[in-house]
Amino acid sequence: EVQLVESGGGLVQPGGSLRLSCAASGFTFSSYEMNWVRQAPGKGLEWVSYISSTGYTIVYADSVKGRLTISRDNAKNSLYLQMNSLRAEDTAVYYCARVWGTSNEAFDIWGQGTMVTVSS
Amino acid sequence: QSVLTQPPSVSAAPGQKVTISCSGSSSNIGNNYVSWYQQLPGTAPKLLIYANNKRPSGIPDRFSGSKSGTSATLGITGLQTGDEADYFCGTWDNSLSAVVFGGGTKLTVL
Repeated sequence: EVQLVESGGGLVQPGGSLRLSCAASGFTFSSYEMNWVRQAPGKGLEWVSYISSTGYTIVYADSVKGRLTISRDNAKNSLYLQMNSLRAEDTAVYYCARVWGTSNEAFDIWGQGTMVTVSS
Repeated sequence: QSVLTQPPSVSAAPGQKVTISCSGSSSNIGNNYVSWYQQLPGTAPKLLIYANNKRPSGIPDRFSGSKSGTSATLGITGLQTGDEADYFCGTWDNSLSAVVFGGGTKLTVL
């Protein structure tokens, strides 16, 4: 079964750090571009970051640039999001999502999400 | 404030048809493919439509997509109570160099 499973979420104080992981299974992870997308409680979807299949190309949303870092380990079939200098507005469910096709315009597989709460 | 504009809510009776609009600009919808997602309560989004009007395997043909200029539309026919969900449109924005989503539309099947 094609699957993405996120982990690593939790409660963190403002200014703190957290590392999210996304474990892929059921497909050739190294062949796919990946993204992180977040959703604040009761709000819509917000794209966070993109990484190419090799990891050489990375793009961030302006709202997270310089604080969040996306990476991947194709040998471990895993995607990561290192989150530093966290703010209250980073509170959200974080989803990893697989790119469909060759342009970063559609995401066909999503994980179940992991909740990040930034609060003192 | 989302880059793509969707109506906050739509409603229709079971068996009827509903359309959800998604309005953007030349930097996003006008020059890129649009995708649509369904998010049932408490679950992750699910891809319904990609490349404006194509359905992934397993998505019933009750769901359809179209695009004209800088706007896109999701159509759902033969509404079922199980279709009650939030629906989001998404695409790439060339000016922002970012994926952008609509604010979401809550579908109620009366």
